[in-house]
Amino acid sequence: SAVISQKPSRDICQRGTSLTIQCQVDSQVTMMFWYRQQPGQSLTLIATANQGSEATYESGFVIDKFPISRPNLTFSTLTVSNMSPEDSSIYLCSVTGEGGPTGELFFGEGSRLTVL
Amino acid sequence: AQSVTQLGSHVSVSEGALVLLRCNYSSSVPPYLFWYVQYPNQGLQLLLKYTSAATLVKGINGFEAEFKKSETSFHLTKPSAHMSDAAEYFCAVKAGGGNKLTFGTGTQLKVEL
Repeated sequence: SAVISQKPSRDICQRGTSLTIQCQVDSQVTMMFWYRQQPGQSLTLIATANQGSEATYESGFVIDKFPISRPNLTFSTLTVSNMSPEDSSIYLCSVTGEGGPTGELFFGEGSRLTVL
Repeated sequence: AQSVTQLGSHVSVSEGALVLLRCNYSSSVPPYLFWYVQYPNQGLQLLLKYTSAATLVKGINGFEAEFKKSETSFHLTKPSAHMSDAAEYFCAVKAGGGNKLTFGTGTQLKVEL
């Protein structure tokens, strides 16, 4: 299994500002995923981040709003730009386990953002 | 494209009673199915997964799930609920050889004395 640390664990932000969330993994992983969990809802994949290439964004998510960095095989950041109250969510970093397509995802404990 | 449907956003059981959380999937190719649990203010923890090796899958904390292709279901069960089982449970599917995990809308389990 992988141990995933996210920072910050929670934050309160002002409308119009940006916040960068960090994700650190205790082992080298090829693929990292960023999910959003809006209040009372399920998880929605924002993007997939591979080291050495541009992140791949899901429908409804754009790089200008959610820029992602993946400088090495153990670290990634997600920035939530120009925030509005609708961005209040839990943002979760995840990585694939061993087993390729049959492997589960491991998740960090999430970063809970509240936008005022 | 794959998807999962979880019937019942809230389920309440008495302590010691059977837990049954429903999940139906849709996939054009053989799926891999997962159940995760999320305790308050925590991330997701894997309960169990189905990867075609056996249709009855046993997981942690006494949970198990049975893959039924004819019913396109992967319901989660536990014979006897414990207060500590109160949490949100998510069913998820992965299909087509990719790594993308698609989640259901979740079921909040409440366990009452």
